[in-house]
Amino acid sequence: AQKVTQAQTEISVVEKEDVTLDCVYETRDTTYYLFWYKQPPSGELVFLIRRNSFDEQNEISGRYSWNFQKSTSSFNFTITASQVVDSAVYFCALTGYGGATNKLIFGTGTLLAVQP
Amino acid sequence: EAQVTQNPRYLITVTGKKLTVTCSQNMNHEYMSWYRQDPGLGLRQIYYSMNVEVTDKGDVPEGYKVSRKEKRNFPLILESPSPNQTSLYFCASSFGGPSYEQYFGPGTRLTVT
Repeated sequence: AQKVTQAQTEISVVEKEDVTLDCVYETRDTTYYLFWYKQPPSGELVFLIRRNSFDEQNEISGRYSWNFQKSTSSFNFTITASQVVDSAVYFCALTGYGGATNKLIFGTGTLLAVQP
Repeated sequence: EAQVTQNPRYLITVTGKKLTVTCSQNMNHEYMSWYRQDPGLGLRQIYYSMNVEVTDKGDVPEGYKVSRKEKRNFPLILESPSPNQTSLYFCASSFGGPSYEQYFGPGTRLTVT
């Protein structure tokens, strides 16, 4: 069975601090995809990144970076120099590819509060 | 504008009164799905559909029905709602399946009393 664990329920930082959101996953699939989504206080869900299991290169997009490590089954998300606008719930998600199901499994989310 | 729409956005109903939450996308996406969001539980998939007339259960399908008669629409049906179905519901769609970016609707806040 597939599973996504986001052990950090809530994180509070002060603006300009760096923060890392952890995501640990379980899957038996050889090919799989990992995602991060952001849910700001307004409630919509916004796609941030998609990564497949064969691409372990770290990704950087502005202040955001992602560290994918198959050896530890982790796909962590780091925000550098956090800003108040980064305050949101962040979800990590997982799906297999070519397997028996076409489900998309989300973690329970991490609420990030960035204080001014 | 490419979008996923859901209606209604807010609904308060009583136990046992059948209701339908509509979902429509204008992007010609093949994959559509429904999720419920509850505090501490994150997003849980209720049902998904890979294409017209093809639907399958997610992780929490009990008490829900879906249909996919047209590619653009994927309604969620609660035949006999109960208070434990009080939740925030999201519809989503994507081009080729769950391994693609999901486009989410704005959400439907459902309260069952």
